[in-house]
Amino acid sequence: DTGVSQDPRHKITKRGQNVTFRCDPISEHNRLYWYRQTLGQGPEFLTYFQNEAQLEKSRLLSDRFSAERPKGSFSTLEIQRTEQGDSAMYLCASSADPSETQYFGPGTRLLVL
Amino acid sequence: DQQVKQNSPSLSVQEGRISILNCDYTNSMFDYFLWYKKYPAEGPTFLISISSIKDKNEDGRFTVFLNKSAKHLSLHIVPSQPGDSAVYFCAASAILGGKLQFGAGTQVVVTP
Repeated sequence: DTGVSQDPRHKITKRGQNVTFRCDPISEHNRLYWYRQTLGQGPEFLTYFQNEAQLEKSRLLSDRFSAERPKGSFSTLEIQRTEQGDSAMYLCASSADPSETQYFGPGTRLLVL
Repeated sequence: DQQVKQNSPSLSVQEGRISILNCDYTNSMFDYFLWYKKYPAEGPTFLISISSIKDKNEDGRFTVFLNKSAKHLSLHIVPSQPGDSAVYFCAASAILGGKLQFGAGTQVVVTP
């Protein structure tokens, strides 16, 4: 399977704990995006990378959220001191450059108790 | 600030008929428009896109129409099939390769 992969697929944590999600993009895609989706809404943009450079961050991305793409391949999204409002589906996408088409992974569903 | 709007939360259509999904946007800087389909517990799947220099793009059973003056686009699915039952998202971007802004989605149910 050469699509975007995300790990874990599901995560249940207690409020105040830290969580980290991983995304592996399609091989040779140099752009990588993170979105968050809550029930009944479309995905909301969080941040994106071109290679290892983080080009844009949403105002939604509070200082408890940090994303990295250290070698321009896989990316991690960490949430510190989780809150119940962080419960959502976290989606990763990748695209080749230049292209408008982003290909999404299956998502990581986070539940904060 | 919802810049992409899908005002119909749901659509029911008979198998074999045409499904028409609508999307409106407010940001005149958007140049790229995409439609995605999403099944429960899966990520969105890319269907079709169109750039602002075109007014129509077709791919098999899927056709997207863009009316820039009205800031409106639509997705036509002909003929509709049971496997088309899913949530459909409209998305837009102002920059090639930039962030996508999504509508809230339209749930399509195709009935036999």
